[in-house]
Amino acid sequence: AQKITQTQPGMFVQEKEAVTLDCTYDTSDQSYGLFWYKQPSSGEMIFLIYQGSYDEQNATEGRYSLNFQKARKSANLVISASQLGDSAMYFCAMREGRNFQKLVFGTGTRLLVSP
Amino acid sequence: EAGVAQSPRYKIIEKRQSVAFWCNPISGHATLYWYQQILGQGPKLLIQFQNNGVVDDSQLPKDRFSAERLKGVDSTLKIQPAKLEDSAVYLCASSSTGGQPQHFGDGTRLSIL
Repeated sequence: AQKITQTQPGMFVQEKEAVTLDCTYDTSDQSYGLFWYKQPSSGEMIFLIYQGSYDEQNATEGRYSLNFQKARKSANLVISASQLGDSAMYFCAMREGRNFQKLVFGTGTRLLVSP
Repeated sequence: EAGVAQSPRYKIIEKRQSVAFWCNPISGHATLYWYQQILGQGPKLLIQFQNNGVVDDSQLPKDRFSAERLKGVDSTLKIQPAKLEDSAVYLCASSSTGGQPQHFGDGTRLSIL
């Protein structure tokens, strides 16, 4: 069974608008972490935001916020005020267990920001 | 702070040849990871080191892939012999202990002819 599901292969958004990228996960662990990474066409993976399973507040990092709904097992990334430089692949990933650092990635969502 | 360094950036070889990739993690990061990213997919963990010991190599095709991290700092990943399906981007990442986010290098794009 897939651990991380990203159902949107591609998303379009206009500059300055907000966009939500979906991510659902599957785990039986109580302790886990959820990550979002950005991968521009140049190939590097850029860490954006992290949410721990015990964190009560939704994580925020600048224009990025993570809409964490534990009961629904979803961890959607919200990008506010999109910029042209946000065009990239976005990957959701999960780390299971307090001492495990292995990340399992989803298949990604390609975001295109238009002027 | 210098990031994760990888080389080469690109490599083209013929099938059945051998190839090696090098990674230098962020200074002080005890944990080092090698991922394989096939076009259109998310990265898949090949091997994880904690200092110079292997933590997880369950998805490493050990008949052709090998990796080492002899002094607990930099690491090499080798493929011998290469197959067409090994065409991918090989990403190295590192993290400090305690489950901190992994930081990735720019990757090596491998093409097998």
